[in-house]
Amino acid sequence: NAGVMQNPRHLVRRRGQEARLRCSPMKGHSHVYWYRQLPEEGLKFMVYLQKENIIDESGMPKERFSAEFPKEGPSILRIQQVVRGDSAAYFCASSPPGHPGEQFFGPGTRLTVL
Amino acid sequence: DQQVKQNSPSLSVQEGRISILNCDYTNSMFDYFLWYKKYPAEGPTFLISISSIKDKNEDGRFTVFLNKSAKHLSLHIVPSQPGDSAVYFCAASGWAGGTSYGKLTFGQGTILTVHP
Repeated sequence: NAGVMQNPRHLVRRRGQEARLRCSPMKGHSHVYWYRQLPEEGLKFMVYLQKENIIDESGMPKERFSAEFPKEGPSILRIQQVVRGDSAAYFCASSPPGHPGEQFFGPGTRLTVL
Repeated sequence: DQQVKQNSPSLSVQEGRISILNCDYTNSMFDYFLWYKKYPAEGPTFLISISSIKDKNEDGRFTVFLNKSAKHLSLHIVPSQPGDSAVYFCAASGWAGGTSYGKLTFGQGTILTVHP
């Protein structure tokens, strides 16, 4: 039973470029969450999605960031026009239906903006 | 606004002894609490959880205690092993301020080092 998959594991972008981070949840899990960890800090919630729906985006920056979880395929976190402050580890988690608190995390994508 | 706090950045214990990691929270709407362990360059790994209807939950060497009146929880690891060396995060969720149970609020983490 594969765990949460994230790719790429490392992503380097120059300022102004776009970053796309992908997350495939565990089998049977229909809820996906994205978190960001800045250096020396804890994880900060960004967004909670179910298939084709955004449930809670209270942690998403208002500009440049978007997330989707389509009917088919992985969840995508998209960051447009990246800036150096976007450099962080981005973690995806998934949970089974009816248990949003039981989140299992992927290995993360480390984004570096040059 | 740090709603979940781990006030000890690091903890060092001897192998075989007890490790006690502490966590405080400020939002009384939190009613579900979790502990995660994290190694460098990996995602957090779920360890143990507790709901607010309980004050203790045990799983092998790991026990979580919840004191709702003090808004405090702790993770006990007995006996501690060198492989337990990692960063430990506590997290909380609930219908806090209108947001969903899916939103976990994490503490800053405590680095545990277990010496052989």
